[in-house]
Amino acid sequence: KAGVTQTPRYLIKTRGQQVTLSCSPISGHRSVSWYQQTPGQGLQFLFEYFSETQRNKGNFPGRFSGRQFSNSRSEMNVSTLELGDSALYLCASSLLLMGETQYFGPGTRLLVL
Amino acid sequence: GENVEQHPSTLSVQEGDSAVIKCTYSDSASNYFPWYKQELGKGPQLIIDIRSNVGEKKDQRIAVTLNKTAKHFSLHITETQPEDSAVYFCAASKTTELSFGAGTTVTVRA
Repeated sequence: KAGVTQTPRYLIKTRGQQVTLSCSPISGHRSVSWYQQTPGQGLQFLFEYFSETQRNKGNFPGRFSGRQFSNSRSEMNVSTLELGDSALYLCASSLLLMGETQYFGPGTRLLVL
Repeated sequence: GENVEQHPSTLSVQEGDSAVIKCTYSDSASNYFPWYKQELGKGPQLIIDIRSNVGEKKDQRIAVTLNKTAKHFSLHITETQPEDSAVYFCAASKTTELSFGAGTTVTVRA
């Protein structure tokens, strides 16, 4: 069974631009969560989607948004990019909801110049 | 929210020795505690997890213990090998949101 896939793997943007990242969960998994990883703040939860609905949201500004499609694939969008948004963005999928094992993808490395 | 503290931040061990990483959590409602291993350029990989109704779990050279009363859990790696060198993260959760520790960089010396 294929793992979680994320595209693109690397991205360079400039301040003020917007970016969209994509995540395809493991086949059959219906929950997708997004995390931001930086050297300073570590791994931080962004949001979680289940059945096309956002179920949980972390403490990030409204510039960070996401959505999930009927096939469980998910996208996250960051508008008006700031230098501090440079990070590894990780997507994790799980079968259902609470207490389920989350499997991470390889991440998208975003660099904002 | 949940606060997870992880120690030590770096750990260097001789090949064949044991490695122990400890984590504490703040929210007594947390009931799921996974451990992830992250290698350079890769996403975190689950290596073992434990739920609050279990005190200890073992998988070959890896074991995790949980003390709910003290709100701490530990990862034990025995007979360390060079391929065990990586960053290890503990996490705690009561929902789908994982709260992670800051990570431990483990180096296994040959």
